[in-house]
Amino acid sequence: QLQLQASGPGLVKPSETLSLTCSVSGGPISTSAYSWGWIRQPPGKALEWLGTVYFSGRAYSKPSLNSRVTISVDTSKNQFSLKLTSVTAADTAVYYCARQAETPGGFVWFDPWGQGILVTVSS
Amino acid sequence: SSELTQDPAVSVALGQTVRITCQGDSLRNFYASWYQKKPGQAPVLVIYGKNNRPSGIPDRFSGSNSGNTAFLTITGAQAEHEADYYCCTWDTNDNHVLFGGGTKLTVL
Repeated sequence: QLQLQASGPGLVKPSETLSLTCSVSGGPISTSAYSWGWIRQPPGKALEWLGTVYFSGRAYSKPSLNSRVTISVDTSKNQFSLKLTSVTAADTAVYYCARQAETPGGFVWFDPWGQGILVTVSS
Repeated sequence: SSELTQDPAVSVALGQTVRITCQGDSLRNFYASWYQKKPGQAPVLVIYGKNNRPSGIPDRFSGSNSGNTAFLTITGAQAEHEADYYCCTWDTNDNHVLFGGGTKLTVL
């Protein structure tokens, strides 16, 4: 059974870079059948997709965050990562990683999800 | 960019049927996926594609579309279905993924 687990610092200072890693177990990250996504949920707010990476390393991210987000993959470690630069209190959220499925018709869904990690931005 | 709009809150009597809606232009071309989100837990996929349920999701959950609106229907709602529900789809305008604002379902 595929499992994902996000890890990283739970506290980041304003203006610094948030770095998280998602470890995938129970299956290879190097598959053309799926991509790998990051989604977050600020306290009391909705889910927000941040970006997605393919095992090839090709990645795309939410346009409004594009310049701050970098998503990469390390197939040798079966992991993918998120970096978010210049963080502010607005970036405080639970960050989730998930396997993303897509079809040629553009249908997209996320399953399964990692357990999430709370990242607080505070000095 | 496009948006997905959901009613913030919906309530249903125990054992009754409830339909949760999600509106957006992208839904004219793409089906929505739906997620159940309980406090302190990761979201769980309940519907994807035209009307597909992942393994382990009961058939009381179903999905449908009409025009620019996607629907998640829960037939015979139970107390354990009380949660936030989110829709999600692809936005061709900006080539990215959209989530709706979520609907808080209360089972009375």
